[in-house]
Amino acid sequence: DSGVTQTPKHLITATGQRVTLRCSPRSGDLSVYWYQQSLDQGLQFLIQYYNGEERAKGNILERFSAQQFPDLHSELNLSSLELGDSALYFCASSVGPSSFATQYFGPGTRLLVL
Amino acid sequence: KNEVEQSPQNLTAQEGEFITINCSYSVGISALHWLQQHPGGGIVSLFMLSSGKKKHGRLIATINIQEKHSSLHITASHPRDSAVYICAVTDGGSQGNLIFGKGTKLSVKP
Repeated sequence: DSGVTQTPKHLITATGQRVTLRCSPRSGDLSVYWYQQSLDQGLQFLIQYYNGEERAKGNILERFSAQQFPDLHSELNLSSLELGDSALYFCASSVGPSSFATQYFGPGTRLLVL
Repeated sequence: KNEVEQSPQNLTAQEGEFITINCSYSVGISALHWLQQHPGGGIVSLFMLSSGKKKHGRLIATINIQEKHSSLHITASHPRDSAVYICAVTDGGSQGNLIFGKGTKLSVKP
């Protein structure tokens, strides 16, 4: 158990809908990263927050947004969903926004868009 | 061309064999990570390297910064080692976000 929790574990929804994925980092970790794993693209970095502020953005679509709250949990919002958004979404946390910090991954949320 | 390349893509071994998985990268990096993804999907960090060699149990990871290459070795492999092994790097200018290879799917037969 990494100490990172993600909810829900599974999500099935329809095209055009909006969903919210939630992540709680390990106790004491201030950095949260969101990653997407799809069959064709593999694992890709989406966005990173550190202590409530956005620190880095990767291949995140404009339809997607995220935030980190004062209690350090983070939410990833996916809107106007398309079939291609079906993927595993991972959250990871680390102590700080450092290249040398080990990242601890949550169990992931499996999203299926029908 | 991907910034992080792994080989082989798939690997089947007999229990007890010595296994090597290779990773090459084309960007300047701060650190290289080896991750293990279980069949159920969960991802575990195995190693983080910026130089030299690290060992944990039967797993050994090495990195050659000049050659931009890393290897993950598994000694005395066991069926429970069956998983996808993913190489990832943090580039020199990043805030720690990972750039991933496509992974190596390892299957160890009893």
